[in-house]
Amino acid sequence: GAVVSQHPSRVICKSGTSVKIECRSLDFQATTMFWYRQFPKQSLMLMATSNEGSKATYEQGVEKDKFLINHASLTLSTLTVTSAHPEDSSFYICSASPQGVNNSPLHFGNGTRLTVT
Amino acid sequence: GENVEQHPSTLSVQEGDSAVIKCTYSDSASNYFPWYKQELGKRPQLIIDIRSNVGEKKDQRIAVTLNKTAKHFSLHITETQPEDSAVYFCAASRRGATNKLIFGTGTLLAVQP
Repeated sequence: GAVVSQHPSRVICKSGTSVKIECRSLDFQATTMFWYRQFPKQSLMLMATSNEGSKATYEQGVEKDKFLINHASLTLSTLTVTSAHPEDSSFYICSASPQGVNNSPLHFGNGTRLTVT
Repeated sequence: GENVEQHPSTLSVQEGDSAVIKCTYSDSASNYFPWYKQELGKRPQLIIDIRSNVGEKKDQRIAVTLNKTAKHFSLHITETQPEDSAVYFCAASRRGATNKLIFGTGTLLAVQP
């Protein structure tokens, strides 16, 4: 149980276009999901906390107008990279834990490899 | 906010030897400390975690120790095998509060056969 599905797994887009990444909790509900970004050979950096039914909370230095987060249901959060640039190329990964389940660990999606040309 | 430091950045051991990775955290309110193993291009996989109400936890060849006073925790892998080779990340969070998981910088472990 506790599976997080992320789509797409890979995407290549041109500079200036927007890309949407979906994160779904398949067998549990999550009021909160987290979005991370990982550059090659670096750590996972928390970008934002996605809150169901309300605005996302962004970490310092992350542009909220560039990385749009929508958490419209208890099983789906989306991250849209707007006006993508080559420096946005990275591995984006979401995570979530079951709502109301004490001491449940975070479960990660498989990640999305974004390449901006 | 929370800041997690991790050492060493790379670690090479001979098969069968032990490996130790250390992390320190800054937020005294952090109460949950997981360790993840990440293979190239894949998602992090939880290998063990510890909560602030215990000082040590063991699962077969893997153990984690926590020193709340000093705000550091360590991962110990015994009898290392080549398949243990990967990047290992420690992390810290306030479970029950923000639940944000802040990761350390990672350790590339290479187990030489």
